[in-house]
Amino acid sequence: ILNVEQSPQSLHVQEGDSTNFTCSFPSSNFYALHWYRWETAKSPEALFVMTLNGDEKKKGRISATLNTKEGYSYLYIKGSQPEDSATYLCAFTDSNYQLIWGAGTKLIIKP
Amino acid sequence: NAGVMQNPRHLVRRRGQEARLRCSPMKGHSHVYWYRQLPEEGLKFMVYLQKENIIDESGMPKERFSAEFPKEGPSILRIQQVVRGDSAAYFCASSPGRLQVTSTDTQYFGPGTRLTVL
Repeated sequence: ILNVEQSPQSLHVQEGDSTNFTCSFPSSNFYALHWYRWETAKSPEALFVMTLNGDEKKKGRISATLNTKEGYSYLYIKGSQPEDSATYLCAFTDSNYQLIWGAGTKLIIKP
Repeated sequence: NAGVMQNPRHLVRRRGQEARLRCSPMKGHSHVYWYRQLPEEGLKFMVYLQKENIIDESGMPKERFSAEFPKEGPSILRIQQVVRGDSAAYFCASSPGRLQVTSTDTQYFGPGTRLTVL
């Protein structure tokens, strides 16, 4: 059974601080790794998709890295702002083209 | 360009009734995915459809649940004889091409339908 683990489950961060969290996925049969941002009462919104080992993507203060050999991706947020409060989901696509979602990391920014 | 539309946004049903949830994908998208979010849980994949075809229904409960995506009109997720455990948020997403064709296909999500079973 393929499993995608995200840690921590939830995270409280002071406004202005930087933070990061992890998505772990099976290292075999890798095809792509997606990050989504899911605000309360809204629908998930795509942030990044990464396919190559060593990939690094950036969007404003948010960036992500990918290590397909060891099966993890990190999402970094620099200088957290209240509007960053959301659940961050990762989803893994394997070579059978199955998309498997993690349970998410809930990020709460304290003003 | 309108995003993914879902209706109704909120649906209340009594036990034993039927629930019909509708999803209109983004313009130009012919692939639809349904997900369920149970209270305090993450997204769980239910079914993946193309026009007139069910591609993967491995996440669908075997009984009472069905999905369709007709040639014309929205995709429908149908839950017969609802029970309290069906209360959840049901999200639909669409993409332009099959993940098998391009693994980088991003899914665009609708606002969800919140089903409450009394």
